[in-house]
Amino acid sequence: EVQLVESGGGLVKPGGSLRLSCAASGFTFINAWVGWGRQAPGKGLEWIGHIKSRDGGEATDYAAPVKGRFTISRDDSKNTLYLQMDSLETEDTGVYYCTADVPTLGAPIDYWGQGTLVTVSS
Amino acid sequence: QSVLTQPPSVSAAPGQKVTISCSGSSSNIGYYSVSWCQHLPGTAPKLLIYENYKRPSGIPDRFSGSKSGTSATLAITGLQTGDEADYYCVAWDRSLTVVFGGGTKLTVL
Repeated sequence: EVQLVESGGGLVKPGGSLRLSCAASGFTFINAWVGWGRQAPGKGLEWIGHIKSRDGGEATDYAAPVKGRFTISRDDSKNTLYLQMDSLETEDTGVYYCTADVPTLGAPIDYWGQGTLVTVSS
Repeated sequence: QSVLTQPPSVSAAPGQKVTISCSGSSSNIGYYSVSWCQHLPGTAPKLLIYENYKRPSGIPDRFSGSKSGTSATLAITGLQTGDEADYYCVAWDRSLTVVFGGGTKLTVL
């Protein structure tokens, strides 16, 4: 069974930083493109970005609202994904989901975690 | 403002059929395949359809997908109260990003 378990959410002031982690299991992590999505209060799901597998050069792509502020990284030895969030804005408040795109399925996002809440407020 | 356009809400009675549309452009749906996911509040979103019409293991055949040009459709037959959720269309975009529809809230009357 695929499991993606996020941690690290919490309350942070505008301009602050936060680092989220995602522990993955149940699939071959090193072959997957993994990333993050989010949902702001009362809004729909939104893609944040992803990091490709080692075969893909571990290249990263980001959505425009977070580019230059957020950094996605991975540690294949620990089957863990990270999201470093800097210069946080109140608009970044929401539930953050870890995502995985595995070679055996053909969707941009095949699996999602349960999410962790990030609140940016003074 | 989402890149893909979906109706905000749809509704139908138990046992009936409902369809949810998703409209995009030549940069996303017109170029790449479409997937659909189901999201119940407080839970992890779940993949329902990928590559326009394929279902992952465990997804019942009551859920089906299709694509034509720059639009896609999700159909759900034999509606059940447990199908009440938000549904999202998802696609790659030629800008090297993943784009979503705004989501459609399904109410089973």
